[in-house]
Amino acid sequence: NAGVTQTPKFRVLKTGQSMTLLCAQDMNHEYMYWYRQDPGMGLRLIHYSVGEGTTAKGEVPDGYNVSRLKKQNFLLGLESAAPSQTSVYFCASSHPGALPQPQHFGDGTRLSIL
Amino acid sequence: GDSVTQMEGPVTLSEEAFLTINCTYTATGYPSLFWYVQYPGEGLQLLLKATKADDKGSNKGFEATYRKETTSFHLEKGSVQVSDSAVYFCALSDRTGNQFYFGTGTSLTVIP
Repeated sequence: NAGVTQTPKFRVLKTGQSMTLLCAQDMNHEYMYWYRQDPGMGLRLIHYSVGEGTTAKGEVPDGYNVSRLKKQNFLLGLESAAPSQTSVYFCASSHPGALPQPQHFGDGTRLSIL
Repeated sequence: GDSVTQMEGPVTLSEEAFLTINCTYTATGYPSLFWYVQYPGEGLQLLLKATKADDKGSNKGFEATYRKETTSFHLEKGSVQVSDSAVYFCALSDRTGNQFYFGTGTSLTVIP
C-alpha cells in the first residue's frame, strides 16, 4: 500500500549541480503535481501533469523541468541548482473527476543547495 | 487569480479546548475547498472537503462549512487532543481540478 513514493528523502547539492527527483504512484492516478514548501509560504505549485506525456507550468516553474514518460512516474529536474531552490519538495497525485478530487501526497524530499 | 488566506499561527491550546482556524478564499466560479493536515516529517493528508456552498465537511471531530456569502471555510473542533498537534492547510481547487491553491499553513500545538 505504497501510495506516492518520493526518492531521495534528503539531498545536499552544491550550487550549479544537477539532479532529478523521482515521484512514483501506484494508484493509477492521471494527475500528478510537484510542489515546493517554504516557511511562511505554504505550498507552491511548480509543474503538473494531467496525463502521460503531458506537462504544464504552475506558479513557480523557473529553474525546473519535468517529464512524465510513464503514467506512474513524474520526474522533477534541476539543471543548475541555486541556493534559492533549497526547500522541501512534495509530489502529489489525484484522479480526474466530475468534481476536483483530493490530492495524495508523498512524504517529501528535503533539498539543500550550498 | 485564485488564492487562499488562512489564519497566522502558531496556535497553542490546552487539551480539550475549542479550536478555530480561519480560512477565506478568492476564486472565480465555484471552487471545491479542502483542509489538509501535515504531521512532522510527513506529507499532507486530506482531513475534510466540501464541494458546494453550505456543504459541511467533517472527519475525526473536525468540521468546516463552505460559506459562499463570506467566502470562508473555517476549521473547528470542539475538544482538541495532544495528537491533533500538526500544521493545517486550507486549499481550494477550481472546477477543472488541475490546480490547487494552498494557504500558508497554521501550526497547532496542543499541550496536556
